[in-house]
Amino acid sequence: AQSVTQLDSQVPVFEEAPVELRCNYSSSVSVYLFWYVQYPNQGLQLLLKYLSGSTLVKGINGFEAEFNKSQTSFHLRKPSVHISDTAEYFCAVSGLGYSSASKIIFGSGTRLSIRP
Amino acid sequence: GAVVSQHPSRVICKSGTSVKIECRSLDFQATTMFWYRQFPKQSLMLMATSNEGSKATYEQGVEKDKFLINHASLTLSTLTVTSAHPEDSSFYICSANERNTIYFGEGSWLTVV
Repeated sequence: AQSVTQLDSQVPVFEEAPVELRCNYSSSVSVYLFWYVQYPNQGLQLLLKYLSGSTLVKGINGFEAEFNKSQTSFHLRKPSVHISDTAEYFCAVSGLGYSSASKIIFGSGTRLSIRP
Repeated sequence: GAVVSQHPSRVICKSGTSVKIECRSLDFQATTMFWYRQFPKQSLMLMATSNEGSKATYEQGVEKDKFLINHASLTLSTLTVTSAHPEDSSFYICSANERNTIYFGEGSWLTVV
């Protein structure tokens, strides 16, 4: 079984400052990792995903994440945030054999609030 | 590209009635779909795995008789909340995988009054 821990429930950041949202996972098998964003009263949007290959993954809206197997982490970063980045961010994991039958387990979410 | 569509996007129902939410894969066939529930200011919790042509697989703690799932075709899964109560008010969202990409529906807001 897999699990995901997002260490920070809320992260306040000033506009144009860098941000890191932390995510750690636990699994007995190899995993695939995802970051999703949810804007207020909306559904989910995929920011980026790690399936294999380069451990540094670049996503949309200037976000990137680095897969660290030894530390079982997949932290999300952005060098300069904007007011429009205010949203809830979810880290998620799927077990080996990512296929039509693989379910995703979500972390508890981190609320990113940007201050002008 | 592949799209997953949910309907209705918002529904209000009276306590004790049943409500059905549909999840459709528009450009691909999905033998498996997933249903999640998200309470306000909380994360998404997997409720069940919907399997085309067979019974759904429910996560621990989810009442299968209350949350009926039917996956009668390769493009449609339905979630019926039976005898709904105010505590069932939540955001319900489905997903399906296609070519190593997971697609989520837009979600359905259920309010039970």
